[in-house]
Amino acid sequence: GAGVSQSPSNKVTEKGKDVELRCDPISGHTALYWYRQRLGQGLEFLIYFQGNSAPDKSGLPSDRFSAERTGESVSTLTIQRTQQEDSAVYLCASIPSRVVTEAFFGQGTRLTVV
Amino acid sequence: AQSVTQLGSHVSVSEGALVLLRCNYSSSVPPYLFWYVQYPNQGLQLLLKYTTGATLVKGINGFEAEFKKSETSFHLTKPSAHMSDAAEYFCAVSYFGNEKLTFGTGTRLTIIP
Repeated sequence: GAGVSQSPSNKVTEKGKDVELRCDPISGHTALYWYRQRLGQGLEFLIYFQGNSAPDKSGLPSDRFSAERTGESVSTLTIQRTQQEDSAVYLCASIPSRVVTEAFFGQGTRLTVV
Repeated sequence: AQSVTQLGSHVSVSEGALVLLRCNYSSSVPPYLFWYVQYPNQGLQLLLKYTTGATLVKGINGFEAEFKKSETSFHLTKPSAHMSDAAEYFCAVSYFGNEKLTFGTGTRLTIIP
């Protein structure tokens, strides 16, 4: 595709429900990152993938959060038993090569837990 | 561990005045440095980047930044602010061989008419 695509763009869920967020990176990009951005705050690193392996998962806040990636394609971020503090914009970025020279961001998924 | 510090979470400048947004990084190896901009309700867009070569880099919308190794800085400047520059600006760092892209906490730029 022309850019990084994230779906859904907005998600409202009830506390305790599971949610799945999807990221379609730019075709051919080997690396993929997930970030969280709470209202009025900076970007919080969650996890990144090189191909379908995740060398760094250090940013995942708890074991309720998990992510996977199929090859060098789609990635899904799953949040189980959502809590109100999970409300944020979840951003995905894809990078052309192993060396980070530019990250291309999607528009994000705005998650609201009520 | 790599890190980047942005001094000033909020900066206000008058329209037509100089814009200066500060970014310092910590590193023992040559960094790759980036500035991203986030307009209200939009995704992040790359403004400019430094990887190797010329230390003064020019980006979109009249912005530029200078990599100063001695000061471990990569400050973003624009000679004359425009109302459309109002946005959140993020500095980011990575390194050759380290694939993790680390962002600063951001600086919100407000332009005063």
